[in-house]
Amino acid sequence: NFMLTQPHSVSGSPGKTITISCTRSGGSIASNYVQWYQQRPGSSPTNVIFEDTRRPSGVPDRFSGSIDSSSNSASLTISGLKTEDEADYYCQSYDSTTFWVFGGGTRLTVL
Amino acid sequence: EVQLVQSGTEVKQPGESLRISCKTSGYNFKTYWIAWVRQMPGKGLEWMGIIYPDDSIIKYNPSVLGHVTISVDKSISTAYLQWTSLKASDTAMYFCAKADGIRSWLDPWGQGTQVTVSS
Repeated sequence: NFMLTQPHSVSGSPGKTITISCTRSGGSIASNYVQWYQQRPGSSPTNVIFEDTRRPSGVPDRFSGSIDSSSNSASLTISGLKTEDEADYYCQSYDSTTFWVFGGGTRLTVL
Repeated sequence: EVQLVQSGTEVKQPGESLRISCKTSGYNFKTYWIAWVRQMPGKGLEWMGIIYPDDSIIKYNPSVLGHVTISVDKSISTAYLQWTSLKASDTAMYFCAKADGIRSWLDPWGQGTQVTVSS
């Protein structure tokens, strides 16, 4: 079994850059891809990063993903923060025993 | 355009049965996985299970195994999530979502179905 741990909240000012971490316990972060989802209040989640670093069409290039094997974590970075980025963000990955796991979610506040 | 449209809000009593639906369009329903994800009030996302419609291979989260049933009707491109005996702890928003593969990402998602179980 594995878990994904995210900070409960992050905040930033418009125009600034923030990073949300997602640390895997139980297995290597590089063993399976990490996805990121954005959920605005009252809405369904939408995918903003898939396969660690790839961006779906329509997602601004202000959103980027990375993984760091040394810290066994993935990160979502949002640059040029906008008020519309205020949302909950979830990481998600997989293994052949637990199957799908979501992180606990991070609330982004744009001050 | 790929669309997943879920059935409407449900209010049930403990012990009742329920089936909610996820009607898909815009793609070959049989050859893509459909996942169900639960979001309890004020909480995060929890994967419940995933089904491959073509042969109904299903994987369940152990936390829900035996309490819910995931199924499909290929003739109408629709997936279902079913309970035979609801509990108050089943109160949540339930989302369906399409996945290219069992290790893939979820996109797009349905609009969600709110289920409230209360006496």
